[in-house]
Amino acid sequence: AAGVIQSPRHLIKEKRETATLKCYPIPRHDTVYWYQQGPGQDPQFLISFYEKMQSDKGSIPDRFSAQQFSDYHSELNMSSLELGDSALYFCASSLGLSGRTGNTGELFFGEGSRLTVL
Amino acid sequence: GQNIDQPTEMTATEGAIVQINCTYQTSGFNGLFWYQQHAGEAPTFLSYNVLDGLEEKGRFSSFLSRSKGYSYLLLKELQMKDSASYLCAVLSGGSYIPTFGRGTSLIVHP
Repeated sequence: AAGVIQSPRHLIKEKRETATLKCYPIPRHDTVYWYQQGPGQDPQFLISFYEKMQSDKGSIPDRFSAQQFSDYHSELNMSSLELGDSALYFCASSLGLSGRTGNTGELFFGEGSRLTVL
Repeated sequence: GQNIDQPTEMTATEGAIVQINCTYQTSGFNGLFWYQQHAGEAPTFLSYNVLDGLEEKGRFSSFLSRSKGYSYLLLKELQMKDSASYLCAVLSGGSYIPTFGRGTSLIVHP
């Protein structure tokens, strides 16, 4: 079965550079979530989209932006990169919003994009 | 906001049973997930509880008590491949975003 596809899998950038991560959700999934996971840390929610509209916003820095396109894929744009942005960035998708009535809202995670900022 | 608490690390023997606890404090509650995450890999879904009681799924079971703000994940017949981090995630306060705990690192030894 098709899973969540993220690209690139690995990315090395210098401080103050920009980076773009891409996420292709499972076909027919309309909700995309972005999480950031530092070494030994729990995944921290950044932002989510439902039906191409931003649905929730978490601890996403102002230097980051994201959007969901008409084909439901999503991109996370990161500018003025800092050393602390080095982390594993997960994208997850679900059919409908997690926890809504009648929807277990299981999130399916991609394998992540590992960003290293030097 | 919410406060999710799990033990940092647990060890167990192959073939044994282990119970990983998760306590939470939330304003409103919409459900609780358990995910398994091997090092450097994506979290994979194990269970979702929204009502009190035990949900059994093969070797893994998950229990929820909403009144106590408590859940556990029970792993039976442990295998070496079960060595991983187990993340408890809570949906609360009308949010549709799972908030993850720090995770419990389970080490299974022979």
